[in-house]
Amino acid sequence: EVQLVESGGGLVQPGRSLKLSCAASGFTFSNYYMAWVRQAPKKGLEWVATISTSGSRTYYPDSVKGRFTISRDNAKSSLYLQMNSLKSEDTATYYCASLLYNWFAYWGQGTLVTVSS
Amino acid sequence: DVLMTQTPVSLPVSLGGQVSISCRSSQSLVHSDGNTYLHWYLQKPGQSPQLLIYRVSNRFSGVPDRFSGSGSGTDFTLKISRVEPEDLGVYYCLQSTHFPLTFGSGTKLEIK
Repeated sequence: EVQLVESGGGLVQPGRSLKLSCAASGFTFSNYYMAWVRQAPKKGLEWVATISTSGSRTYYPDSVKGRFTISRDNAKSSLYLQMNSLKSEDTATYYCASLLYNWFAYWGQGTLVTVSS
Repeated sequence: DVLMTQTPVSLPVSLGGQVSISCRSSQSLVHSDGNTYLHWYLQKPGQSPQLLIYRVSNRFSGVPDRFSGSGSGTDFTLKISRVEPEDLGVYYCLQSTHFPLTFGSGTKLEIK
């Protein structure tokens, strides 16, 4: 059974940094592209970042490009999201997801990030 | 960015009934490889989204055949027949043909 478990969320002040983690199990992690998707409170879904199997290629929307960095450790079956220069509009539940080709197949339960002073 | 417009926003339904959800894109979702990358998700209350349909009409593993997807180009539909209580929640479409990937704003399926 595929399991994705996010951690690292919490309350952080604007302008500060936070790093999210996602522990994967139940599948061969190194064979799959991975991604982060977020959902602001009571709002819709927004794609945040995607990373290739080796980690050599990463993709971001303009809303987070230059501030967020996605990375992975295939030896640990783990995915990460380093978030810098956080803004109030980054407040959301962040989901880790595995990709089937270029769409999200399995999702974690999410971790809440609140950016507030 | 590709704008994904879902209608209706809210969809009251009687259990056992049939409903359709529309998703329209601001540009064609036909990829240069010939595939159309339009997918459907359901987010049940308090849960993370789950994949229902991928590439317009393919049911994901474990998804009952009450769910069907259709469409082409810029106009897509998700149909749910014999609605059951477990089908309630918010449905989202996603396009992954173009960067950035974009979702529709959601359709809430609720009991009439």
